Amino acid sequence: EAQVTQNPRYLITVTGKKLTVTCSQNMNHEYMSWYRQDPGLGLRQIYYSMNVEVTDKGDVPEGYKVSRKEKRNFPLILESPSPNQTSLYFCASSLVNNSPLHFGNGTRLTVT
Amino acid sequence: GESVGLHLPTLSVQEGDNSIINCAYSNSASDYFIWYKQESGKGPQFIIDIRSNMDKRQGQRVTVLLNKTVKHLSLQIAATQPGDSAVYFCAENYSNSGYALNFGKGTSLLVTP
Repeated sequence: EAQVTQNPRYLITVTGKKLTVTCSQNMNHEYMSWYRQDPGLGLRQIYYSMNVEVTDKGDVPEGYKVSRKEKRNFPLILESPSPNQTSLYFCASSLVNNSPLHFGNGTRLTVT
Repeated sequence: GESVGLHLPTLSVQEGDNSIINCAYSNSASDYFIWYKQESGKGPQFIIDIRSNMDKRQGQRVTVLLNKTVKHLSLQIAATQPGDSAVYFCAENYSNSGYALNFGKGTSLLVTP
């Protein structure tokens, strides 16, 4: 089944403890992206990647890192999480520009 | 800055009626638009898309209309069913050099029996 898989689905952590949210897609998509979703603010792009070893900042990149060493994987790294990064995170991928983004089912992160 | 927005935050319709969800965009350079449906506990699910060289596109029970003159996008759902209850987002690609979707805040559609 074609899908975007994120792990974990739920994560509770403490301020400053490094964490990684994994994202993998099995559709051979070039484009991958991370979004966060917050009440009243909608979906905001954190980082995106047009292809392997190519990553760019989105609208809210502060406090996040990403890497794209392989086409299928696009992990989101929080080196030192803070409470304002408590949010619902979505990974998405698409074949090329101006093609529909396919989303994972989300990772709900709580930073205390 | 320019943004995508929705006219109505909530919409309640009776089962079997047609639904219309509206979206206003202000970036005249946007060339690609998508509608997504998001159910509770799930990620956004693609419904239908349209490019700026079109003004109408139809799918199964859904139609998207694009009016570039007034920068307006709408999603029409025919014969709305209880399973259509969800939050609907419009999104525009506003990037001149790549692919960057700007999402609206969402409209909650509630279908009552």
